[in-house]
Amino acid sequence: QKEVEQDPGPLSVPEGAIVSLNCTYSNSAFQYFMWYRQYSRKGPELLMYTYSSGNKEDGRFTAQVDKSSKYISLFIRDSQPSDSATYLCAIVTGANNLFFGTGTRLTVIP
Amino acid sequence: EPEVTQTPSHQVTQMGQEVILRCVPISNHLYFYWYRQILGQKVEFLVSFYNNEISEKSEIFDDQFSVERPDGSNFTLKIRSTKLEDSAMYFCASSDPGQGRFNYGYTFGSGTRLTVV
Repeated sequence: QKEVEQDPGPLSVPEGAIVSLNCTYSNSAFQYFMWYRQYSRKGPELLMYTYSSGNKEDGRFTAQVDKSSKYISLFIRDSQPSDSATYLCAIVTGANNLFFGTGTRLTVIP
Repeated sequence: EPEVTQTPSHQVTQMGQEVILRCVPISNHLYFYWYRQILGQKVEFLVSFYNNEISEKSEIFDDQFSVERPDGSNFTLKIRSTKLEDSAMYFCASSDPGQGRFNYGYTFGSGTRLTVV
């Protein structure tokens, strides 16, 4: 399935850095875009969602959707070691099912 | 905070055997899902379940698989005649349409690691 493509990384940054995680998607009909965080041996945990285009901010996290380029981004400011996890983008289909990207493994080094 | 509970956390089975993976969704949720994640690959949709019947299923969810809500709290995934390639993490999830499925997304369980030997 090629609905969502995500760079798998891994990505390693120093503590305090700004992290940019990105995905592209194929179908312009998609309206809802999600970011999940997954720790080792755990299920995905919803971080943020956005509807259509634009930005959404929640604390140190900002989700951005550019529908013209079919591009989804998650920015993490002032990254912390506790942010070390795999980050999954996902789109919601019309049937309310999720198509996930492969996930990007992030390590924040103290 | 309410959780989706999955048991067992790890299941080892011999090829050809049947396994049942169990899930207790969040109590007031009405939509239930199974996803799987083969090691190093994407989390993939298997099936969604609402009002005691399958709503949607992927091409992965063939006759080998079945789901059931045997009582008011459990939601199970049965895999018949397991194959080596069924080895994966299986995640159960639930959502609450009352609060808007799109607004809150799903709540996933911690998964069952199935190893077929």
